[in-house]
Amino acid sequence: DVKVTQSSRYLVKRTGEKVFLECVQDMDHENMFWYRQDPGLGLRLIYFSYDVKMKEKGDIPEGYSVSREKKERFSLILESASTNQTSMYLCASSTQPATQYFGPGTRLLVL
Amino acid sequence: ELKVEQNPLFLSMQEGKNYTIYCNYSTTSDRLYWYRQDPGKSLESLFVLLSNGAVKQEGRLMASLDTKARLSTLHITAAVHDLSATYFCAVDIGTDKLIFGTGTRLQVFP
Repeated sequence: DVKVTQSSRYLVKRTGEKVFLECVQDMDHENMFWYRQDPGLGLRLIYFSYDVKMKEKGDIPEGYSVSREKKERFSLILESASTNQTSMYLCASSTQPATQYFGPGTRLLVL
Repeated sequence: ELKVEQNPLFLSMQEGKNYTIYCNYSTTSDRLYWYRQDPGKSLESLFVLLSNGAVKQEGRLMASLDTKARLSTLHITAAVHDLSATYFCAVDIGTDKLIFGTGTRLQVFP
């Protein structure tokens, strides 16, 4: 069964903190993605990766970075969290060409 | 600018009724996906439409794709409460990147 897991379901952080969100998939997928979901805006792509150590900017990369040191793991980093980064963060993985499979999401609140 | 627009954004319908959700997109694409999201949950894949004229059906949901019109539809037949969720279409613009619509929140009441 396809499985994408995310390190936390809920996180509360302070403005200026460095935040790490981790995503792990067990399907040996090449592609991994980070989205944020906000009411009325749908899902917006932050970063994606086609392979280990490769990364590409999505539509809203500002304020974020990513790391992919192993095929199964894709980390999203908020270098200095701000209140406008309060959101639901969703990780997904896929193989080419195919459906993206999503993790359960992380609700991040930045105070 | 690439746009994926869904109509309606919110749909309240009575059980047993039929309705269609529309997904219009502004660029050439041969692949379109439909996802379902329950409140507080993640996205679950419903359909993958891979060519012009593709039609997929699962239970009370049927999805179709017209690549020439850049339009996909998700038709609901005889709605039941369990179908209450938010439905997203997503267009593959190549290199496996998806652009999502804003979602249609469906509420089915008795």
